[in-house]
Amino acid sequence: SQKIEQNSEALNIQEGKTATLTCNYTNYSPAYLQWYRQDPGRGPVFLLLIRENEKEKRKERLKVTFDTTLKQSLFHITASQPADSATYLCALDGGAGGTSYGKLTFGQGTILTVHP
Amino acid sequence: DTEVTQTPKHLVMGMTNKKSLKCEQHMGHRAMYWYKQKAKKPPELMFVYSYEKLSINESVPSRFSPECPNSSLLNLHLHALQPEDSALYLCASRSSGTDTQYFGPGTRLTVL
Repeated sequence: SQKIEQNSEALNIQEGKTATLTCNYTNYSPAYLQWYRQDPGRGPVFLLLIRENEKEKRKERLKVTFDTTLKQSLFHITASQPADSATYLCALDGGAGGTSYGKLTFGQGTILTVHP
Repeated sequence: DTEVTQTPKHLVMGMTNKKSLKCEQHMGHRAMYWYKQKAKKPPELMFVYSYEKLSINESVPSRFSPECPNSSLLNLHLHALQPEDSALYLCASRSSGTDTQYFGPGTRLTVL
């Protein structure tokens, strides 16, 4: 069966360090993968999208990698700040073509806490 | 503008009530979604509308009834809900150009 795992339920790091979050999946052939940030009681906020033919994407202090052989995505926040504390969700689409395209399934999320 | 709006922000209803949730986007997106999110869980897909037609129903009970009156609006009609339906209901729309899904702030629903 299809499965998405975000390896850590919670991650605590010191301000200024790089936070690395992991998303692994099985029995998927996603056309793309997205990372979202969610604060308590609010909707997810889109951060980055990476396609199956892309290895790496960057946006300011954020970097995401996508290895379709390992079936893994890594999400990095460099020079982390207490304001980065939130839940981070990875989400995979159902694959190119057909009605599953654009149908997102989310991992359980990683709660990141950045300590001053 | 990448905004999806949802009303109301909070809703409390009894099990015999009928209520509706509303979602609006003006980004020209032709795919719109309803998700349900319970506390400490990820969002779970309920319905997908594509070009104003229902394309995916994830086996959602009939007490939830979606409606897409036009390309900018999405409603979720609620009737005879159960306390276990209490959750954060999220609407999203997807850009066909970038595939990015943009979420609204959600409606916090409590069923008494």
